[in-house]
Amino acid sequence: AQTVTQSQPEMSVQEAETVTLSCTYDTSENNYYLFWYKQPPSRQMILVIRQEAYKQQNATENRFSVNFQKAAKSFSLKISDSQLGDTAMYFCAFLNTGTASKLTFGTGTRLQVTL
Amino acid sequence: DADVTQTPRNRITKTGKRIMLECSQTKGHDRMYWYRQDPGLGLRLIYYSFDVKDINKGEISDGYSVSRQAQAKFSLSLESAIPNQTALYFCATSDRQGLGNQPQHFGDGTRLSIL
Repeated sequence: AQTVTQSQPEMSVQEAETVTLSCTYDTSENNYYLFWYKQPPSRQMILVIRQEAYKQQNATENRFSVNFQKAAKSFSLKISDSQLGDTAMYFCAFLNTGTASKLTFGTGTRLQVTL
Repeated sequence: DADVTQTPRNRITKTGKRIMLECSQTKGHDRMYWYRQDPGLGLRLIYYSFDVKDINKGEISDGYSVSRQAQAKFSLSLESAIPNQTALYFCATSDRQGLGNQPQHFGDGTRLSIL
């Protein structure tokens, strides 16, 4: 079974600064996908960014980018120019193509953006 | 209107009661999922369905049952609710094609409290 570990339960960053959230995973598979989901206080689950394991290039979506290290099984999220609206719980998730769309989530990192 | 609609949004009930949480979607997706979210544990899969005739247990299915009434509807039942089923419940959908290219889309969640 796959496991996803987020070792930072809480983090804080000042507005306009950069913050990196860590995620590691364990799998014996070669083909898979990784995701970061954001859950603001409204409790919606919002997809932030996705990465396909067979792609070496790190995914980027505006202020959000990832550092995908396949050999190290690491998938960190970098948020640049942090905004108050980035305050949320962030979940890292793993999808193994062999198990057909079943996501495995980490335990989450609560990010607080301060003035 | 939301693509994935969960009802009710919040529910408080007593131990031993039968509870049904409903999920409907307008995305035309074949696959639907039920998760529960607990503090410090992330989201865990309860049941999933790849089409109307295909229902599968997730990692924590004990105490729950589901019904896929139509492609667009997937309900979760707690036959006899107990306090440790107090949690935030999410329904999600995904398209059969593309797997990671078509990530899961979540409803806004049902917060269930069992006294």
